[in-house]
Amino acid sequence: AQSVTQLDSQVPVFEEAPVELRCNYSSSVSVYLFWYVQYPNQGLQLLLKYLSGSTLVKGINGFEAEFNKSQTSFHLRKPSVHISDTAEYFCAVSRTGKLIFGQGTTLQVKP
Amino acid sequence: DVKVTQSSRYLVKRTGEKVFLECVQDMDHENMFWYRQDPGLGLRLIYFSYDVKMKEKGDIPEGYSVSREKKERFSLILESASTNQTSMYLCASQEDSDSTNYGYTFGSGTRLTVV
Repeated sequence: AQSVTQLDSQVPVFEEAPVELRCNYSSSVSVYLFWYVQYPNQGLQLLLKYLSGSTLVKGINGFEAEFNKSQTSFHLRKPSVHISDTAEYFCAVSRTGKLIFGQGTTLQVKP
Repeated sequence: DVKVTQSSRYLVKRTGEKVFLECVQDMDHENMFWYRQDPGLGLRLIYFSYDVKMKEKGDIPEGYSVSREKKERFSLILESASTNQTSMYLCASQEDSDSTNYGYTFGSGTRLTVV
C-alpha cells in the first residue's frame, strides 16, 4: 500500500530565508508525486508534480521539488520565502489515479 | 479554467439530521472525489466516482453515502449526522484516470459543524 509521511507538522521561518518541507513516500511501484498548497479558507491548489523525466521539478511561486527514488523522498524547497507563502502544504502520491495525501505541513513565515 | 463549486462554505447541522453536500464541476471531468480534512490527519478519501451512477468507497466511507446522477454533480450524504463528522469537506475532480495530467481540481471546501 502506498502512503505519504510529511515529517514536520509546522515549519516556522523568517521572511527571505530558504525553506525545505520534507515528504517521504512508501511504494513498491513507480509513483506520481504532487505538492499542493492551501491558503487560509481556500481549497487546495497544485504547486508542482512529478510524473517522469527530470528529477528536479519546478512549480509555481518559485517552489521546486526533487524526486529521490533511492531515499523515497520528494522534498519541497524555496530559496527565499515571502509572507504570502504562509499556508498549509500537502504532499500526495497517486494510487490507481486516486491521490493519497500526507498529514500536511504548516509553513509560518515571520517578518 | 476548471471550476469545482461546492454549494456551501459553512454549514451547521444538528445531530441526527440528514445532510447533503453538493459539488459541481464544469469541465466534463470523468472522475470526482470527496475528502474530509482534519488537523494532523491531512485529507482522507471518503468516496469517489469514475462515471455517472458509479461509486466506490474510499478509506473512510462509514457514515457517508454519495450520489452521481449527472456527470457534473457529485453529492455527499451524511445519513444521520454525528458530532465526529464535524470537519472540512473537500470535493475534487480529475479529467480521467488515464490522463497523464493526473491532477485534481479542488473546490473551496465546506466547513460542516454538527452540534
